[in-house]
Amino acid sequence: ELKVEQNPLFLSMQEGKNYTIYCNYSTTSDRLYWYRQDPGKSLESLFVLLSNGAVKQEGRLMASLDTKARLSTLHITAAVHDLSATYFCAVGPNTGNQFYFGTGTSLTVIP
Amino acid sequence: DSGVTQTPKHLITATGQRVTLRCSPRSGDLSVYWYQQSLDQGLQFLIQYYNGEERAKGNILERFSAQQFPDLHSELNLSSLELGDSALYFCASSVGDWGNTIYFGEGSWLTVV
Repeated sequence: ELKVEQNPLFLSMQEGKNYTIYCNYSTTSDRLYWYRQDPGKSLESLFVLLSNGAVKQEGRLMASLDTKARLSTLHITAAVHDLSATYFCAVGPNTGNQFYFGTGTSLTVIP
Repeated sequence: DSGVTQTPKHLITATGQRVTLRCSPRSGDLSVYWYQQSLDQGLQFLIQYYNGEERAKGNILERFSAQQFPDLHSELNLSSLELGDSALYFCASSVGDWGNTIYFGEGSWLTVV
C-alpha cells in the first residue's frame, strides 16, 4: 500500500517567516498534488506536479517534486495570517489506480 | 464557489439505512471524483468516473457504489450504513483525467446514528 507522510503535522509560525512542509511517499509516482483546507470548509487545489523536477509557484507558496527521492516540498515565503489552514499532499494514481492523501499539516500563522 | 454542487449538505440517518449523495460537476467537466473525510481515517479517495465510465477505484467499501450518468452528474450510494460511515463526503470534478486541477464541492455531511 502506498504511504504518504507529511511533516510536520502541526506548524505554528510567525508572520514574515519562511518554512517548508515535506511530503514523502513510498512508491513510484510522478503525480503529486497539494491542497488547502480551511476549517469547516472544502478543499482547494493548489498545485499539480506531474514530472520530476516540477516546480510551481503561486503567491507565497512554492511546490516542488523530486520523484527519485519520492519527496515533494511546499515552501512558504514570508508567511501571512491568511495562509493559516491545513495543507494536504496527495499522490497518484499509481499503476494500481490508487490515490492517497497525506495526513495533513495544520499551519497557524501568528501575527 | 467552485461550481461543483453537492446535495444534500447535511444528512442524519440510522444504522442499516441507505442514502444517496448527489453531485453535479462544473459545466464542461468530464471527470467526477468522490472522497471521504473522517476523523478516524483522514481523507480517502473513493472512486473516479470519466465521461460515464469508472476510471479509478480507491478505498471504496463494497457497501458503497457510485455511477456517473449521461448528463455527467454522479451519485454515491451508501448502504447498510454503520456508525463508522459518518463522515464528510466530497465530490470533485475536472475537465479531463488526473493531472488537471480538481474543483471540490462543499461536501455532504453524513451522520449515522
